[in-house]
Amino acid sequence: DQQVKQNSPSLSVQEGRISILNCDYTNSMFDYFLWYKKYPAEGPTFLISISSIKDKNEDGRFTVFLNKSAKHLSLHIVPSQPGDSAVYFCAAAGSSNTGKLIFGQGTTLQVKP
Amino acid sequence: GAVVSQHPSWVICKSGTSVKIECRSLDFQATTMFWYRQFPKQSLMLMATSNEGSKATYEQGVEKDKFLINHASLTLSTLTVTSAHPEDSSFYICSARDGGLAFETQYFGPGTRLLVL
Repeated sequence: DQQVKQNSPSLSVQEGRISILNCDYTNSMFDYFLWYKKYPAEGPTFLISISSIKDKNEDGRFTVFLNKSAKHLSLHIVPSQPGDSAVYFCAAAGSSNTGKLIFGQGTTLQVKP
Repeated sequence: GAVVSQHPSWVICKSGTSVKIECRSLDFQATTMFWYRQFPKQSLMLMATSNEGSKATYEQGVEKDKFLINHASLTLSTLTVTSAHPEDSSFYICSARDGGLAFETQYFGPGTRLLVL
């Protein structure tokens, strides 16, 4: 049972435009969500997070939106840059603070110059 | 930022042999380490959580006798795939938590690709 889903395996956008990566989850007990970025041959690195008590969190070019009623979150990157080309994973966690993360399948973003 | 290394980065072995993968936190002490497995086009699936000096906690469906985890020090955890079979071929990735309570303080290694022939 895939509790966190990223239904788009890939996304291609032009440099300077907005990239929108989507993530859906099924478990209403999740209360913390994170986005990770992964380059080839490297481990995922933390990008941005959001608590379930918020519906938006912004950090520079990156904004994460959370729609709890729809169990949906999205990552917006604007403007997109070629260096943003990577695999993006969303992850979810419950409140038990065990550190356990449930990941989506990842979306490969390609930003074309 | 904090660095987590894994060794080896890739390994090919014969069916029936055992393979050990190391995960090291290079510049911090990791009270907790996590082991994940990723099959092609699938998500990272948590296999087990290990705390230094205690037995690992395995996720449902993960055979603890097949995937031996040792977390003997605050900077090293090992995953041993015993009697490996072709279906164990996968990408194994570890992460280490530095003792902070924030999820953001969980750092990932680059992963180990295992191919069992």
